[in-house]
Amino acid sequence: ELKVEQNPLFLSMQEGKNYTIYCNYSTTSDRLYWYRQDPGKSLESLFVLLSNGAVKQEGRLMASLDTKARLSTLHITAAVHDLSATYFCAGHWGGSQGNLIFGKGTKLSVKP
Amino acid sequence: NAGVTQTPKFQVLKTGQSMTLQCAQDMNHEYMSWYRQDPGMGLRLIHYSVGAGITDQGEVPNGYNVSRSTTEDFPLRLLSAAPSQTSVYFCASSYWASGSGTDTQYFGPGTRLTVL
Repeated sequence: ELKVEQNPLFLSMQEGKNYTIYCNYSTTSDRLYWYRQDPGKSLESLFVLLSNGAVKQEGRLMASLDTKARLSTLHITAAVHDLSATYFCAGHWGGSQGNLIFGKGTKLSVKP
Repeated sequence: NAGVTQTPKFQVLKTGQSMTLQCAQDMNHEYMSWYRQDPGMGLRLIHYSVGAGITDQGEVPNGYNVSRSTTEDFPLRLLSAAPSQTSVYFCASSYWASGSGTDTQYFGPGTRLTVL
């Protein structure tokens, strides 16, 4: 059974600083997803990582995947207030596409 | 395209009442799913469907029924609502992109359900 753990669960950052969110998963997952959720809103897809060593970047966010360590990271560079949101990682579960097991989320607050 | 739509946006039920949460997508996606989101718990998969006429259970299926008679619609039924089913419910659909070798999930706006 796949379990996904994120840490930290809460993160308060200052603008301009760098930080990393960690996502550990318990068993083999052939792909790893990152989502963003703003308060009261739905989920927005950020990245899908497929293979060991995969790295994807969009703006100030960079995601990577180490399948041997069962670890994915979401690195935030020079944080800005607009990045304040909750970030979820999720692993793929079972044979059907789209069955995801989510972590509990990391609530990020970027302060001036 | 409207994407994934859900109705209603908000609903209050009394314990024991039944209701159906509606979900529709106009992207011709074969795969659809339902998740619930509770504070501090992330999202948990309730039921999913890989095509019309085919459904299966996810992590937390108890208390919920689904059916899939068309590609577009995937309703979630609560037969006898309980306070433990108070949550935000998200419907999602996805397609498999053979070029990228993965799927892309689209989430609906959510239904906020309160059971008293």
